[in-house]
Amino acid sequence: TQLLEQSPQFLSIQEGENLTVYCNSSSVFSSLQWYRQEPGEGPVLLVTVVTGGEVKKLKRLTFQFGDARKDSSLHITAAQPGDTGLYLCARSGGSNYKLTFGKGTLLTVNP
Amino acid sequence: EAQVTQNPRYLITVTGKKLTVTCSQNMNHEYMSWYRQDPGLGLRQIYYSMNVEVTDKGDVPEGYKVSRKEKRNFPLILESPSPNQTSLYFCASRRGQMNTEAFFGQGTRLTVV
Repeated sequence: TQLLEQSPQFLSIQEGENLTVYCNSSSVFSSLQWYRQEPGEGPVLLVTVVTGGEVKKLKRLTFQFGDARKDSSLHITAAQPGDTGLYLCARSGGSNYKLTFGKGTLLTVNP
Repeated sequence: EAQVTQNPRYLITVTGKKLTVTCSQNMNHEYMSWYRQDPGLGLRQIYYSMNVEVTDKGDVPEGYKVSRKEKRNFPLILESPSPNQTSLYFCASRRGQMNTEAFFGQGTRLTVV
């Protein structure tokens, strides 16, 4: 099993601060997805990155895929309480299209 | 509206009493899977199905069964639940291609006493 390591595990910040969370592996990804899970709900896809060095923006969220395709980061600018949730990275691989998830970063943005 | 529907949302049961958690998707997706989510362990795949009548074990299949008789439905069966199966369960579906979005149900919180 090719593990995805996410850091930090927990992050508590004040509204308006910036933050970055990370997803790393010792193996090369063919692609990586980021999901956000709010309390009481299932994960929802934020973005898919497939090309080394790729940067995608979703409003205040910036996603980067490492050049070597072994790592990814999610940067949030001016965090808001609505950004609170569990951020999960996931890789898809193999002939069975299995998604393997990291354990996630639990983000709390305090008003 | 595209969705994955799980039932029930909450369930408390006793050890050994067979139960079924239903999952249905309306997107004509080929690929469906079940995950359990536990504190400190993240989302772990239990079983998956690549299409009708095609199912296989995920990472933690012990104590669970599944079936895929129709494309839209993928029930999870616990023949003899035990307390270590207390968890939050998610069904997910996606198209049978790489890099496609996984759509998750709202989850089923199961407690086995």
